Amino acid sequence: AAGVIQSPRHLIKEKRETATLKCYPIPRHDTVYWYQQGPGQDPQFLISFYEKMQSDKGSIPDRFSAQQFSDYHSELNMSSLELGDSALYFCASSGTGAYNEQFFGPGTRLTVL
Amino acid sequence: DAKTTQPNSMESNEEEPVHLPCNHSTISGTDYIHWYRQLPSQGPEYVIHGLTSNVNNRMASLAIAEDRKSSTLILHRATLRDAAVYYCILRGPFSNTGKLIFGQGTTLQVKP
Repeated sequence: AAGVIQSPRHLIKEKRETATLKCYPIPRHDTVYWYQQGPGQDPQFLISFYEKMQSDKGSIPDRFSAQQFSDYHSELNMSSLELGDSALYFCASSGTGAYNEQFFGPGTRLTVL
Repeated sequence: DAKTTQPNSMESNEEEPVHLPCNHSTISGTDYIHWYRQLPSQGPEYVIHGLTSNVNNRMASLAIAEDRKSSTLILHRATLRDAAVYYCILRGPFSNTGKLIFGQGTTLQVKP
């Protein structure tokens, strides 16, 4: 069965650079979530989209922005990267209904040097 | 959002049952109880969810106390592949979206 695809899987950036993370949800899933997991920490919700509109926002820095496109894929844009942005970034998708189970992608490991 | 409390860690022997407890004394009447797990170096994975009645699926069983202030995830025969961090999460039907709020989960170690 198709799963959530994230790209790239690994990304190394310098401080103050920009990064773009991509997420391709499971076909026919209309909701996408982004989570950040720092080293040794639990995943933290960043932002979500339902039918291409932002539906909720968590502790996402102003330096980060995201959107969901007409084909339902989503991108997380991160600017002015800081050392503390080094983390695993997970994307998850779910079908119609906020209480459907979420399917997580394998994550993008971002390292900021 | 209502808070959950889980033990930091638990150990089990392979092929034995495992009971993972979760306390949620401030649960509201409309909160669903969800369980996710995260295997090493992987994204979280849905395990099971329930509202009031006990639930079973191919992965596990969920036993919910009558007053709903606690629940127990039951793995009937633990395997080495079940070693993971298990998260108990409450999700209310009137929240804006279905975001998951991960608290401190239980790290399950399975010994051969």
